[in-house]
Amino acid sequence: DGGITQSPKYLFRKEGQNVTLSCEQNLNHDAMYWYRQDPGQGLRLIYYSQIVNDFQKGDIAEGYSVSREKKESFPLTVTSAQKNPTAFYLCASRGQGEETQYFGPGTRLLVL
Amino acid sequence: GENVEQHPSTLSVQEGDSAVIKCTYSDSASNYFPWYKQELGKRPQLIIDIRSNVGEKKDQRIAVTLNKTAKHFSLHITETQPEDSAVYFCAASRSPGGYQKVTFGIGTKLQVIP
Repeated sequence: DGGITQSPKYLFRKEGQNVTLSCEQNLNHDAMYWYRQDPGQGLRLIYYSQIVNDFQKGDIAEGYSVSREKKESFPLTVTSAQKNPTAFYLCASRGQGEETQYFGPGTRLLVL
Repeated sequence: GENVEQHPSTLSVQEGDSAVIKCTYSDSASNYFPWYKQELGKRPQLIIDIRSNVGEKKDQRIAVTLNKTAKHFSLHITETQPEDSAVYFCAASRSPGGYQKVTFGIGTKLQVIP
């Protein structure tokens, strides 16, 4: 899991602003995932990607967007349509044929 | 879809005692069950996992049991230490068509009292 990085560690968003969270991995993993974590709740899937230039909505995709232009990168944009964005965001990746997902260190998003 | 229930939500034990966390799942097609430990403000880290063709797996002080018939699995930590204090998540997954859908429990906050 040391091969997955997320930036920034903390991010502040103003009303009406779009912000982008970075996720990079050097593990040569095909699959990448974005989760949202709220206090007292488990991890909820926002988007996932199995391969470059392909991604699918998870359980709570509304107000978020992603891209997968490179295998190692899977950025998440929190748009102004996401009315309650304050949360801890975790990126994960998984190698082909493997079952375990490995997580990045997370980005905490706060609203000003 | 899959539903994973986890309990208890909080658990306090004295140092040296055992801790048990239980999860149930609904999708009989789920075949992989990882457990993650998350320390405050940190990333979840895999501590042990079990596949559906195995009933029990042990790694030092940690063990996981799986009952496929009843669709439940449990994490057992023996001889608990203060550094075991964290939030533990169970998960259930299956891989239809190459995509892995993972469903997580809500987590158990374990506090080990010195």
